[in-house]
This record gives sequence, C-alpha cells and structure tokens, in this order.
Amino acid sequence: DQQVKQNSPSLSVQEGRISILNCDYTNSMFDYFLWYKKYPAEGPTFLISISSIKDKNEDGRFTVFLNKSAKHLSLHIVPSQPGDSAVYFCAARGDGGATNKLIFGTGTLLAVQP
Amino acid sequence: GAGVSQSPSNKVTEKGKDVELRCDPISGHTALYWYRQSLGQGLEFLIYFQGNSAPDKSGLPSDRFSAERTGGSVSTLTIQRTQQEDSAVYLCASSPQGAGYTIYFGEGSWLTVV
Repeated sequence: DQQVKQNSPSLSVQEGRISILNCDYTNSMFDYFLWYKKYPAEGPTFLISISSIKDKNEDGRFTVFLNKSAKHLSLHIVPSQPGDSAVYFCAARGDGGATNKLIFGTGTLLAVQP
Repeated sequence: GAGVSQSPSNKVTEKGKDVELRCDPISGHTALYWYRQSLGQGLEFLIYFQGNSAPDKSGLPSDRFSAERTGGSVSTLTIQRTQQEDSAVYLCASSPQGAGYTIYFGEGSWLTVV
C-alpha cells in the first residue's frame, strides 16, 4: 500500500516558467513532509520541508504548500532553471510507528527546457 | 569526509553470491537508514538504526537481508544468496538526533546481480 503517491512520473517545463510537483498521502498521522532532489548517479539531497502545523514554507525559488484536509502537498519552483532538471521525491514522516523513518513517493522527473 | 560515505560505489555479482555494502555516516549522527531504489521505482525503506535502540527492520524484503551497525557508527548491509531482483541502488542516510527530520544521503552503492 503506497502511503505517499506522486502520480506524475514526469513533467516538462520551459525555463523561466513555474514548475508544480504534486504529492498525495493517505496517512493522516504524518507530521512532517520533505522534498528531495536527485540527480543521476547521485544520492538524494534535501530541498525543503514543512511541518503539518503549517500550510506554506518558502525558501528562495522553492515553496512547498500543504493542504491537510486534502492530504496533498505541492512543490512550486519559480522561475524554473535548466539546473533544476532532476527527479523530485516527496517524503513523509510520522506514520504512527516508533521510528523516524521517512516514507518516499516514487518520484517525478522534472525536465526544464532552455 | 563531511558526508555519508558508501562503498563499494558499484558492485557486479553472480546470482547466489553474498554481498556486503558499507556505510559510514556523518560524524556525530546517531540515526542511520538504509533505503534502496530499484529501476523505475521510488525509495524503499529497508532498515533504521537509532542509537542503542533495537533497529526497525520492518522494511527488509526477506531473511536474506540483514544489517549491522557497529559501535553506533559504521553499518554493513548484507545480502545473502543474491537474486536478480536484488539489483538496485542501495542508499544509506544519516541524521543527527534531535535535529529535526532531515536525513542526509550518501551517493549509493549500485548493485547488479547477473
């Protein structure tokens, strides 16, 4: 059972425009959400996070929005740059278990066209 | 080094052989995770170590998989009698206790079982 879902396997955006990556989750006990970026042949790197008590967190060109009632979060990148082309993973923590493990989605491949 | 270090970076092994993958977490990080990513899949949680607590092994796919963490630092993931479906990139991550929920990944060990 996939608790964190990224339903779009890929997204193509023009340079300078906004990229919107979406993530849905099923477990209402999740209390913290993160986005990671992964380039080929590298490990994922942390990008931005949000606590469940907030609905928005912004860091430069990156903004994460959380809609708890819809169990949905999104990552906005504006303006998009070619260097943003990577796989983006959504992750959630706090599934009610005893550990701090993160549960990841399947990822969305973002391609920013020059 | 400053980051999570994994070895080997690449490993090709014959079906049925045992393999060991090593992870050296960031100095001072008490939490250590193993994930894997199979081709076209998301990040699959395998096992989690936190200090001296019993590890969370809930993600290990079979009893051919085991992991140890010696002295609260270096960890070894062992796969016995490897199968072709074990081919994946195995990612180690660590996080500091009490510093929130961001985890930091290594570059991964790419395992190919032929």
